[in-house]
Amino acid sequence: DQQVKQNSPSLSVQEGRISILNCDYTNSMFDYFLWYKKYPAEGPTFLISISSIKDKNEDGRFTVFLNKSAKHLSLHIVPSQPGDSAVYFCAARPGGSGSYQLTFGKGTKLSVIP
Amino acid sequence: NAGVTQTPKFRVLKTGQSMTLLCAQDMNHEYMYWYRQDPGMGLRLIHYSVGEGTTAKGEVPDGYNVSRLKKQNFLLGLESAAPSQTSVYFCAGKVDSGANVLTFGAGSRLTVL
Repeated sequence: DQQVKQNSPSLSVQEGRISILNCDYTNSMFDYFLWYKKYPAEGPTFLISISSIKDKNEDGRFTVFLNKSAKHLSLHIVPSQPGDSAVYFCAARPGGSGSYQLTFGKGTKLSVIP
Repeated sequence: NAGVTQTPKFRVLKTGQSMTLLCAQDMNHEYMYWYRQDPGMGLRLIHYSVGEGTTAKGEVPDGYNVSRLKKQNFLLGLESAAPSQTSVYFCAGKVDSGANVLTFGAGSRLTVL
């Protein structure tokens, strides 16, 4: 059973416009969420995160929104740039003991068109 | 500062052969992980370690073994490779249980014929 779902395998956006990547989760024990970015032939790199006690976290052009009641989070990139073209993974971890593992979604490939 | 280094970067094996992937880190990571990435499947956890001398199973452990004899190194072994193990393998680590962010290596692409 997939606990972290990214239902859009791909997304194309014009340069300068907003990119919105979505992620849904099913495990109520998740209390910390992260977004990773991955370029081809490289390892994933951390982008931005949010704790379950917040509903928004912003870092430059990147903002993550968390809706706990809907078990949904989204990553907004404004404005989108060609260098943002990559695969984006949503990840989550539970709180408390045993919270060693991150569970990842399948990823969304973002293409920013110049 | 090398970070998280995986060797080899590429390897082609025949079915039934064995091999070991090495992950070395100089970031004082207490926790280390092995993931595999397959098209349309995202990143799936194979095994992980919460400290030197410890290992534990993740989501997809079958066909793999691991060892953490030294804190700096986390080895992933395939005793008898199968075509289903063709994948890109990523090692990752973090400093302690309170840390949320994993630092990943660049990956090792394995093809089993």
